[in-house]
Amino acid sequence: AQSVTQLDSHVSVSEGTPVLLRCNYSSSYSPSLFWYVQHPNKGLQLLLKYTSAATLVKGINGFEAEFKKSETSFHLTKPSAHMSDAAEYFCVVSEANTGRRALTFGSGTRLQVQP
Amino acid sequence: DSGVTQTPKHLITATGQRVTLRCSPRSGDLSVYWYQQSLDQGLQFLIQYYNGEERAKGNILERFSAQQFPDLHSELNLSSLELGDSALYFCASSVTGVPYEQYFGPGTRLTVT
Repeated sequence: AQSVTQLDSHVSVSEGTPVLLRCNYSSSYSPSLFWYVQHPNKGLQLLLKYTSAATLVKGINGFEAEFKKSETSFHLTKPSAHMSDAAEYFCVVSEANTGRRALTFGSGTRLQVQP
Repeated sequence: DSGVTQTPKHLITATGQRVTLRCSPRSGDLSVYWYQQSLDQGLQFLIQYYNGEERAKGNILERFSAQQFPDLHSELNLSSLELGDSALYFCASSVTGVPYEQYFGPGTRLTVT
C-alpha cells in the first residue's frame, strides 16, 4: 500500500521569504507524486506532478518540487512567498502499476503568509 | 476553471434523507472519481468509474452508491443520511493515458441537520 506523510500541519512565512512544505511517501512501486493546492471554499488545483521523468519538477505559480528516492521525499518549495499563496497544500501519491488511478492524499499543510 | 462541473454547490438536508450529487467530467475524460473531504477524515477516495464501469472502490459506505452514464456524467447517491455525512464531496476526472493526473470540480458541500 502507498501512503504519504506531510510533516507540518501549519507553516507560516513572511511575504517575500522562501516556502518549504515537506512531504514523505511510502510506495512499493515507482510512485507518481503530485502537489495540489486548495484555496478557501474552492476545489483542488494541480500544482505539479512527478511521473518518473526529471526529478526536479516545476509547477505553476513559481512552485517546484524535488523527488528524492533515497530520502523518499517530495518537498515543495517556492523562492518567494506571495500573499495569494495562502492556502492548503496536499501531497498526493498515486497507486501506480495497479490500473487504479485513485489518489492517496496527505493530511494537508496550511500555509499562512504574513505581510 | 478545471472543466469539471458539480451540482449543486450546497445541499442542506435532514438525517435519514437521500440526496444525489451530480458531476460532469472534462470533455474527453473517461474516468470519474468521487472523494469526500471532512475535518476529521481529511480527503478520502470513495469510488472510481471508467467509461461507465466501476473500476475501483475506496472507503465508500454501503449507504452510498454511484454510477456513470453513457454521456459520462456521474451521480453519487447518499441515502439514510447521518450527521457524520456532512462534508465536501469532490468529483475529479482524468484522461486515459495521462499518468494519474486528475482534475477536480469545485465540490458540493453537504450539510445534514
